[in-house]
Amino acid sequence: DSGVTQTPKHLITATGQRVTLRCSPRSGDLSVYWYQQSLDQGLQFLIQYYNGEERAKGNILERFSAQQFPDLHSELNLSSLELGDSALYFCASSGAGTGDEKLFFGSGTQLSVL
Amino acid sequence: SQQGEEDPQALSIQEGENATMNCSYKTSINNLQWYRQNSGRGLVHLILIRSNEREKHSGRLRVTLDTSKKSSSLLITASRAADTASYFCATGVYNTDKLIFGTGTRLQVFP
Repeated sequence: DSGVTQTPKHLITATGQRVTLRCSPRSGDLSVYWYQQSLDQGLQFLIQYYNGEERAKGNILERFSAQQFPDLHSELNLSSLELGDSALYFCASSGAGTGDEKLFFGSGTQLSVL
Repeated sequence: SQQGEEDPQALSIQEGENATMNCSYKTSINNLQWYRQNSGRGLVHLILIRSNEREKHSGRLRVTLDTSKKSSSLLITASRAADTASYFCATGVYNTDKLIFGTGTRLQVFP
């Protein structure tokens, strides 16, 4: 068990809908990373937060947004969903968020857009 | 685009053999890390090598880093069936907090 909790584990929804994925980092970790894993695109870095503030941005679509709350949990919001958004979404956490530490990954949320 | 590209994409070996996976990347890095993923589950950190290090060992794992060639290799010695998984390199992009993953190598170890 990595100590990183992601909910829900599975999500099935329709095109055009909006969903929220939730992540609780390991106790004491200040940094949260979001990744998208799909068969054709591999593991794509989306965004990173450190202690409530956005720290780094990757290939995140404008339809997607995220935030980290004062209790350090994070949410990834996906809107106007398309078939191509079907993927496994991972959250990971680390202590200092310097990019120089290992990440602890959650077990992911499998999103299916029908 | 992906920071790291891994080679080979897939590797099949017998138990007891060594497995070598290679990773190439494009820009300057703070560190390079290797992760393992079992069939759709979360990734697990294996080893981290800093940009000023050339080689690192952890149990049956040996990692090398050549920053002049922008490449790294992961060697798993005396492989076991339980080593069957996908292996990813990840680069800590220099002067950022980004950790960018490669495309992965699928390793199959037959008993």
